[in-house]
Amino acid sequence: DAKTTQPTSMDCAEGRAANLPCNHSTISGNEYVYWYRQIHSQGPQYIIHGLKNNETNEMASLIITEDRKSSTLILPHATLRDTAVYYCIVRVHGSGNTGKLIFGQGTTLQVKP
Amino acid sequence: DVKVTQSSRYLVKRTGEKVFLECVQDMDHENMFWYRQDPGLGLRLIYFSYDVKMKEKGDIPEGYSVSREKKERFSLILESASTNQTSMYLCASSLGAAPRENIQYFGAGTRLSVL
Repeated sequence: DAKTTQPTSMDCAEGRAANLPCNHSTISGNEYVYWYRQIHSQGPQYIIHGLKNNETNEMASLIITEDRKSSTLILPHATLRDTAVYYCIVRVHGSGNTGKLIFGQGTTLQVKP
Repeated sequence: DVKVTQSSRYLVKRTGEKVFLECVQDMDHENMFWYRQDPGLGLRLIYFSYDVKMKEKGDIPEGYSVSREKKERFSLILESASTNQTSMYLCASSLGAAPRENIQYFGAGTRLSVL
């Protein structure tokens, strides 16, 4: 199972881009990178996922290095509501067809006014 | 939008009680999951189910059982609650196994206190 490493915490100024790094040096060729976030007292929320190409949606952008050993989640214009714990997850294939996800400790992003 | 509903936000039970945590999803998802979340330990998978009446153990199944009699409902059962089961419990569901289908949608969580 590929493991991920993220910084424990980061700060970002409101309105600036937040760049959250993740290392997954043991990722295998068919494993995807998923990002979720968890705002205080809520369940985790899906943000974005990718295999090897950069991805963008209405919430964020995901940049994956060419060797796929690391990735960066970018929140282009962080707001106070983006303060949360951000989880970088590499998909593990479980039995049946569930695709079990393993959540690590995540990065606590504090957006400051 | 997918909705995953957990029956209680807060629950207080006594040691030795049998506890049922209920989870319902409204999107006809195949897969459902139960996690617990504790400070410093992150989310840990207790059990998951990939079909009605099917279940598989996650990383920490001891002291728990599950039931999935209908596709939309996944129940977590604490046969005899203990204080070390005080935790936040999160239910999730996903459509299937393909990358886009594997997105898990979470409920708001149930904070269980066992006294």
